[in-house]
Parts: sequence; C-alpha cells; structure tokens
Amino acid sequence: SFELTQPPSVSVSPGQTARITCSGDDLPKKYASWYQQKSGQAPVLVIYEDNKRPSGIPERFSGSSSGTMATLTIRGAQVEDDADYYCFSTDSSGNHEGVFGGGTKVTVL
Amino acid sequence: EVQLVQSGAEVKKPGESLRISCKASGYNFPTYWINWVRQMPGKGLEWMGTIDPSASYTNYNPSFQGHVTISADKSISTAYLQWTSLQASDTAIYYCARVYCSSPSCYDFTLDYWGQGTLMTVSS
Repeated sequence: SFELTQPPSVSVSPGQTARITCSGDDLPKKYASWYQQKSGQAPVLVIYEDNKRPSGIPERFSGSSSGTMATLTIRGAQVEDDADYYCFSTDSSGNHEGVFGGGTKVTVL
Repeated sequence: EVQLVQSGAEVKKPGESLRISCKASGYNFPTYWINWVRQMPGKGLEWMGTIDPSASYTNYNPSFQGHVTISADKSISTAYLQWTSLQASDTAIYYCARVYCSSPSCYDFTLDYWGQGTLMTVSS
C-alpha cells in the first residue's frame, strides 16, 4: 500500500523558514497537497497540486515536489503558523484512494 | 460560499448503530465527490473512503471496508457515514471533505473544503 512519511516535529523561530518534508514512492507520479490543523479545529488546505496556493492562504506558504519528496515551506514563520501539518496524495492503483502522511507538529517559538 | 455542515456530537454504546451526516451548500452537490476522514484522539488524519454522489460510486480504505458505509442523498445535498455495530475503538472525530479533482478521471484529488467535524464517543 502507498505510504507517506513526514518528520514528527519541526521547530522554528518567528521570522525564520520552516521546511516540512513528505516522502512517498508514488509522489513522482502523483500530486501532493498540504493541510494545516490548529488545535481543536478542522484541517485547512494550504497547498494543492504540489505548489498551488488556495485563495486566502498567505504567500509565505509554498510547496514543491521533486522525485519521491514533496516539501512545504513556510517563509517568515509567524506564531499563528504553530500547528500540525499533513501531506496527502492518492495511490496509483486507479482506485481513487487517498492517503495522509503521519503529520508534522510545527512549533514556532 | 461553499459550506459543509456536519451533524452534532454523539455518545453511543458498543454494538449500537449510528449514521452521521454532512450537508453541503454553496455548490452543485452531485458534481463533487465527498470523502470521510477519521481522527482518533491525539492522532493523525486517516482517509476512510469516498463517494461520487452523482453515481453513488464508493471506494473504501481497506482498513475501514466492511465496518462503515458511505452514502449520499442528492435530493438534499447530504452525505452520510454509517455504522451498524459500533466499537469503543470507533471513538474519534470524523470529518467530511469535498474533493477537488485534478483530472477528469479524479485519480488525483485534493480535499478543498472541510466540515467542522463530528465527535463520536463510544463507551459502555
């Protein structure tokens, strides 16, 4: 089965750059998307199709993908970016199945 | 404005049945698939399954196959997640999410709008 692997945690000082990686064997063939989940809230889409930003998401959020790794970058991290971040992609079997990475806790302090 | 509004929190006993709902508004419901996602206490997100409301096509994560049923009623723009026999291990928050397809076949997709979540507690 298709799996996505993320680091459990990333720490960054305010104003610095945070990078969160997501690795998976099918990522060269599939798009990745990224979701931010603050404590007690529903997830919010922050990046889709590897590097597209939905309306309303700050420009400091960007995405990239190369080979088997997708990356979410937060440039100039703010205290309000403190949250869990999940990558997501779809399997290549043609069964319309999705899979999430295990999540990365980003601490901004 | 796209909105997905889920039914309220539930407290159930093991062995009981339950159906939770996700009512969509602000878009043409049959033209977007709906996914369900589980989040167990203190844990990450798990993709459970999908439904195409226009055709009632469903597919499930093998880990949930046979334990839950996903359905939809186009006439009231509502998707459902159903259990016939709950277990304590079903205690979790359940989210519905709208699917944005990156291709006509929808083999690549994104979850662009999410419901607020339904907390389900199963305890004797």
